Amino acid sequence: EVQLVESGGGLVKPGGSLRLSCAASGFTFSSHSMNWVRQTPAKGLEWVSSIDSSSSYIYYADSVRGRFTTSRDNSKSSLYLQLNFLTAEDTAVYYCARELRLGSSYFDCWGQGTLVTVSS
Amino acid sequence: EIVMTQSPATLSVSPGERATLSCRASQSVGNKLAWYQQKPGQAPKVLIYDVSTWATGIPARFSGSGSGTEFTLTISSLQSEDFAVYYCQQYNNWPLTFGQGTRLEIK
Repeated sequence: EVQLVESGGGLVKPGGSLRLSCAASGFTFSSHSMNWVRQTPAKGLEWVSSIDSSSSYIYYADSVRGRFTTSRDNSKSSLYLQLNFLTAEDTAVYYCARELRLGSSYFDCWGQGTLVTVSS
Repeated sequence: EIVMTQSPATLSVSPGERATLSCRASQSVGNKLAWYQQKPGQAPKVLIYDVSTWATGIPARFSGSGSGTEFTLTISSLQSEDFAVYYCQQYNNWPLTFGQGTRLEIK
């Protein structure tokens, strides 16, 4: 069974940092581009970042570029998101999501999400 | 950034009837358009990609159409499990963008 499991969310103060992880199983992780997508009631679904299978190409939304860093470890079938300089606007449920096909950045598999709350 | 606009925000339809959801892009996205369904407490689930191709396991009562900037998701005969929030997403340009969603509720 294809599965993605996020972890690492929690409560953090403004200006703080957090590292999210996404553990993949049930498929060949190293063959797929992976993404982070976040969701808030106010802004809905917002794409955050994409990383290709070999970490050669990494893209970020303008809202997080320079503060967030996406990486992956194919030997561990894991995806990571380092969140720095957090603000209240980063409060969201963060999902990792798989791209099924190279060059088609829609998401056929999502994790259950991990909640990040930025508050003093 | 391509802005995706969905309408209506909320759609009330009776079970067994047809539902038509719209998604408009601020510029052409070609055929790089996907639809997702999200139920409370769950992650989104892809229904349709490349405008009109069914994702694995999606029933034929869901269909997608359109091109360029105007897209439609049609649910031909609503079942109880179809009442949810639906999102469109373009993947023709970076950044990837989603619509704000259409809530499909029971009339």
